[in-house]
Amino acid sequence: NAGVTQTPKFQVLKTGQSMTLQCAQDMNHEYMSWYRQDPGMGLRLIHYSVGAGITDQGEVPNGYNVSRSTTEDFPLRLLSAAPSQTSVYFCASSYPTGSSEQFFGPGTRLTVL
Amino acid sequence: AQKVTQAQTEISVVEKEDVTLDCVYETRDTTYYLFWYKQPPSGELVFLIRRNSFDEQNEISGRYSWNFQKSTSSFNFTITASQVVDSAVYFCALSESQGAQKLVFGQGTRLTINP
Repeated sequence: NAGVTQTPKFQVLKTGQSMTLQCAQDMNHEYMSWYRQDPGMGLRLIHYSVGAGITDQGEVPNGYNVSRSTTEDFPLRLLSAAPSQTSVYFCASSYPTGSSEQFFGPGTRLTVL
Repeated sequence: AQKVTQAQTEISVVEKEDVTLDCVYETRDTTYYLFWYKQPPSGELVFLIRRNSFDEQNEISGRYSWNFQKSTSSFNFTITASQVVDSAVYFCALSESQGAQKLVFGQGTRLTINP
């Protein structure tokens, strides 16, 4: 099992550019989430999904779109990047219970100039 | 709303000292789950422990121990006889019992173990 994979590992964008951060898991987890990590603020939930075709907003959803067409994939789209979106992004997946451990991907470090 | 507070931003100790990382949480749920994750310098997030709100037993795993006290809404983490490899950022997190698992993280504590 590869677990949770994220691509790319690093990305530099210019303000206004768009891009998609890819996330895939091979554990057949129903739940998938995107978090961003900023210094001194821990990780904050951006969007999450409880299954294919179902997504919802987390704490900081503005500027990001998601979709979930398959169980395995949960891409995060930045439509018009802003410097405030400079961060480290983590994708996570888990079984569908509140007690389940979330498995995290290795992260994507994004810089927006 | 749920909230997790890790008041210690940074801790620095000498190897072999014991160190306790504090975590205080707020929630209106009667059933909830608490987690600790470790983030070493390489950047990945490593799961350490999960505790549900009905289980107040302390847990020990090798040099690691956790003290859960509902009366004070705290879930503290102690490393005994610290080692340089324990240097990392440690996160405490909280999740609700119903619906999607949405972790609420504390700000993290950066622990540095000096040789």
